Amino acid sequence: GENVEQHPSTLSVQEGDSAVIKCTYSDSASNYFPWYKQELGKRPQLIIDIRSNVGEKKDQRIAVTLNKTAKHFSLHITETQPEDSAVYFCAANSGYSTLTFGKGTMLLVSP
Amino acid sequence: DGGITQSPKYLFRKEGQNVTLSCEQNLNHDAMYWYRQDPGQGLRLIYYSQIVNDFQKGDIAEGYSVSREKKESFPLTVTSAQKNPTAFYLCASSASLTGEQFFGPGTRLTVL
Repeated sequence: GENVEQHPSTLSVQEGDSAVIKCTYSDSASNYFPWYKQELGKRPQLIIDIRSNVGEKKDQRIAVTLNKTAKHFSLHITETQPEDSAVYFCAANSGYSTLTFGKGTMLLVSP
Repeated sequence: DGGITQSPKYLFRKEGQNVTLSCEQNLNHDAMYWYRQDPGQGLRLIYYSQIVNDFQKGDIAEGYSVSREKKESFPLTVTSAQKNPTAFYLCASSASLTGEQFFGPGTRLTVL
């Protein structure tokens, strides 16, 4: 089955800096890669996703890049703000199957 | 945050007791899921269902059971066979297996 590795497990940045979270996956048939944000005590919410026919996708301060050859994808957050502090999860969907999630990255943005 | 609800928010159980967690959605989604979340472990899939009256085991199904008698409802029973049931349980739904998953607010289960 699919295996998703996520790094780093924790990330501390200063407000205004950029943050990058990286994930690798094992199944070359994977074709859907969402990112979820989970604030403390809240439900995970989708912030951006990318499908295998696209190399990069942007939504304001958030971008995701995908390298299918290397089997990795990354989340980029620019101009970080304290409200970006949360746990971020990557996931991969292998063909017509369920999502496999990474173990999460706790992002702390200090004012 | 509407569309998918879970109850109760907090649940306490004595060892040896079965307990059922509720999950309801009004998004008309075909697929529903149950995940378990432990600190540092991410989201692990317990069971999922693509259509009514059908469901499949996920990665950690042992000690759990589900039913899908209605499209809107996907209850999870944590049985006494589950050795370490204390965790945060999340229900989710999606239009299809390859679509965006929407999560409920979660149930925090504590075994006393």
